[in-house]
Amino acid sequence: QVQLMQSGAEVKKPGDSMKVSCKASGDTLTSHFMHWVRQAPGQGLEWMGLVNPSGDSTNYAQKFRGRVTMTRDTSTSTVYLELSSLRSEDTAVYFCAGEMAGGYFDYWGQGTLVTVSS
Amino acid sequence: QTVVTQEPSLTVSPGGTVTLTCALSTGVVTSNYCPNWFQQKPGQAPRALIYCTSNKHSWTPARFSGSLLGGKAALTLSGVQPEDEAEYYCLLSYGGAWVFGGGTRLIVL
Repeated sequence: QVQLMQSGAEVKKPGDSMKVSCKASGDTLTSHFMHWVRQAPGQGLEWMGLVNPSGDSTNYAQKFRGRVTMTRDTSTSTVYLELSSLRSEDTAVYFCAGEMAGGYFDYWGQGTLVTVSS
Repeated sequence: QTVVTQEPSLTVSPGGTVTLTCALSTGVVTSNYCPNWFQQKPGQAPRALIYCTSNKHSWTPARFSGSLLGGKAALTLSGVQPEDEAEYYCLLSYGGAWVFGGGTRLIVL
């Protein structure tokens, strides 16, 4: 049984940076692209970007370029999302999701709430 | 900027049939966009239902089906159950990136 376990909730101040982790258990997911998706309170899903299976390539939504970094540690089956220069609008639940090449999304993390407040 | 549009809300009676659609601001949705459909219930992570237009996951109930309809991606629920009340999102692959639709709240009443 594959599970994606995300790090715990965080509270940040405007201007801070955040780093959320997502660790796979039950499978290393070495064939999966790993995506990050966020959901602001009461709002829809927003795709943020992805990191490829080997961790040497990323693709970010234009909205987040310059402020986002997604990395992958294949030795620990963990992916990371870093977002800098946080503002109140970044308050959201952040999800990681695994995709087998070909658009087959099969695994999701439980979500991590990040609250940005002064 | 690419915008993906879904119906904000739809209401269906139990046992009925309903079709949700997913439109692309730049033109026709084709299989090249690999439309995905997700179901999300309050407080839960999304769950994938359909991938690349019409393919079901092993856990997808038979009453869910995906297609292309009138230049849009479509998700049809036949024989709707009360537990199908949820938010539904489409996701399109666009030039190496992915874009979600705004979501459709499906009310079973």
